[in-house]
Amino acid sequence: GAVVSQHPSWVICKSGTSVKIECRSLDFQATTMFWYRQFPKQSLMLMATSNEGSKATYEQGVEKDKFLINHASLTLSTLTVTSAHPEDSSFYICSARKPGLRIDNEQFFGPGTRLTVL
Amino acid sequence: AQSVAQPEDQVNVAEGNPLTVKCTYSVSGNPYLFWYVQYPNRGLQFLLKYITGDNLVKGSYGFEAEFNKSQTSFHLKKPSALVSDSALYFCAVRDIGYSTLTFGKGTMLLVSP
Repeated sequence: GAVVSQHPSWVICKSGTSVKIECRSLDFQATTMFWYRQFPKQSLMLMATSNEGSKATYEQGVEKDKFLINHASLTLSTLTVTSAHPEDSSFYICSARKPGLRIDNEQFFGPGTRLTVL
Repeated sequence: AQSVAQPEDQVNVAEGNPLTVKCTYSVSGNPYLFWYVQYPNRGLQFLLKYITGDNLVKGSYGFEAEFNKSQTSFHLKKPSALVSDSALYFCAVRDIGYSTLTFGKGTMLLVSP
């Protein structure tokens, strides 16, 4: 199988604090990981693409300094929401893709992290 | 550019009846199409994908989807719906020139007993 985990599954924090979310591929190495944000009853919006050992590629409109992404190893990527505010409250989902050049390489999704900023 | 449209926000069907969740796409090259399902407060679960070959693709939990190139559609179907199929369904596309998936807005499927 291909399992992706996220930790924590939910977090509540005060406005102005930073929150780190971890995404791990448990049984495979992922050279590429993706971070999505999902608002209630809406689709997934890609925030950034994370490649192991290099800087993340952010989508237009996503603040790099606010959403720090680190892909330190082939099995771990982290998303840090810095100086969180209530409008950052959302459901954050990561996914991982197995290495290789196959265009149809499937993405495996984590269970998501619910962030609530008070 | 690549895009996906799911024209229905919600689909209601009675248990035991067939269901269809619609999806159309737009790509410049050959499309790679996917269906995912999401249960409340959970991540996405893969249902099926079309890469090449037979236009009818069979996936998990009895779901299938038909690729129609002329209509640029990839509708999700199931012959007999279950109450447990109630969830949010996402269609996604990846064009040969892109490294990322583009998702539709999602369709909520409600199956009534």
